[in-house]
Amino acid sequence: GENVEQHPSTLSVQEGDSAVIKCTYSDSASNYFPWYKQELGKGPQLIIDIRSNVGEKKDQRIAVTLNKTAKHFSLHITETQPEDSAVYFCAATKGGYQKVTFGTGTKLQVIP
Amino acid sequence: DTAVSQTPKYLVTQMGNDKSIKCEQNLGHDTMYWYKQDSKKFLKIMFSYNNKELIINETVPNRFSPKSPDKAHLNLHINSLELGDSAVYFCASSQDMAGIGTDTQYFGPGTRLTVL
Repeated sequence: GENVEQHPSTLSVQEGDSAVIKCTYSDSASNYFPWYKQELGKGPQLIIDIRSNVGEKKDQRIAVTLNKTAKHFSLHITETQPEDSAVYFCAATKGGYQKVTFGTGTKLQVIP
Repeated sequence: DTAVSQTPKYLVTQMGNDKSIKCEQNLGHDTMYWYKQDSKKFLKIMFSYNNKELIINETVPNRFSPKSPDKAHLNLHINSLELGDSAVYFCASSQDMAGIGTDTQYFGPGTRLTVL
């Protein structure tokens, strides 16, 4: 089955700096890669996603890149703000009634 | 206007008891899920239902039995609770027109289960 590795497990940045979280996946058939943000005491919430026919996607301060050859994808957050502090999960799936496999999570702390 | 709701939010019980967690979504989605998040924040799928039909069962002990009375509800019943069942359980739903896992999953607020 699919295996998703995520690094780093914790990340501290100064407010205004950029943060990068990296994930690798094992199944070359995976074609959908969502990123979720989980705030304390809440359920995960989708912040951005990318499909295998796209190499990069951007939404304001958040961007995701996908390298299908290397089987890795990354989340980039620019101009970080204290409210970006949360646990971030990457995930991968090939759809078609196959499960979504989540990474192990990255706890991001933005220091004011 | 909550999209995915779960009850209860907290559940504290003794080992050996039987308990249920309820989930409802008002998004009109076809697929619903149960996830378990342990103390290290690992998020693992347990079950997935599509239009009331079980699609994914991730080698969960048979003490866990999901039930979907209609496509807006997916309840989780747990028999003979064990200490290792302590975790946060999340319900989620997605539209999935093109197959499971291909669309945004909307998560509920979670149920924190503590087994004493």
